[in-house]
Amino acid sequence: GAGVSQTPSNKVTEKGKYVELRCDPISGHTALYWYRQSLGQGPEFLIYFQGTGAADDSGLPNDRFFAVRPEGSVSTLKIQRTERGDSAVYLCASSPGTQGAYEQYFGPGTRLTVT
Amino acid sequence: GQSLEQPSEVTAVEGAIVQINCTYQTSGFYGLSWYQQHDGGAPTFLSYNALDGLEETGRFSSFLSRSDSYGYLLLQELQMKDSASYFCAVENNYGQNFVFGPGTRLSVLP
Repeated sequence: GAGVSQTPSNKVTEKGKYVELRCDPISGHTALYWYRQSLGQGPEFLIYFQGTGAADDSGLPNDRFFAVRPEGSVSTLKIQRTERGDSAVYLCASSPGTQGAYEQYFGPGTRLTVT
Repeated sequence: GQSLEQPSEVTAVEGAIVQINCTYQTSGFYGLSWYQQHDGGAPTFLSYNALDGLEETGRFSSFLSRSDSYGYLLLQELQMKDSASYFCAVENNYGQNFVFGPGTRLSVLP
């Protein structure tokens, strides 16, 4: 079946610009996570959605970062006034969201480069 | 603060057994997961421990000691395709917040 998909796969933008990264989770998965990963490091938690609501956004680094999931399926991570330090691979993961369903299914990521 | 520690690199030969350790200090703990990530690929789930003890899944086993804030991943009968990075991750808040370790890069030599 279809896994988690993310678009675009690569995004190059200039410092100060606005970007949107999209995640399509596995159908029926109510839990959705955003992470970012820098080279040689582990994924860094950004935000967690259960359904349409952001249940935990404690990982968002500052108010330039925002994410939505308006219909409880597709999610968009939005970054305003991008900075060179935002360059990383942004990973999305989904899981069934039910008790005991602890496995997260990751998408291939979006590689963001801010020049 | 929250921190997970893993060895940065491990090298072993085909057919051998290797253990990758993970120690953690987090504000909450519900379980410890392990993920494998090949270069350029997405992390893929390997195992999860919520209770103390050993969980076995094929060639891979994972162990947890909650009292010691410690776990490990055991890989047996190593194959070349096992060369990858391995991450432990603590479920910090039930189903919500996962903290990943820095990763251990495993190189399997012929």
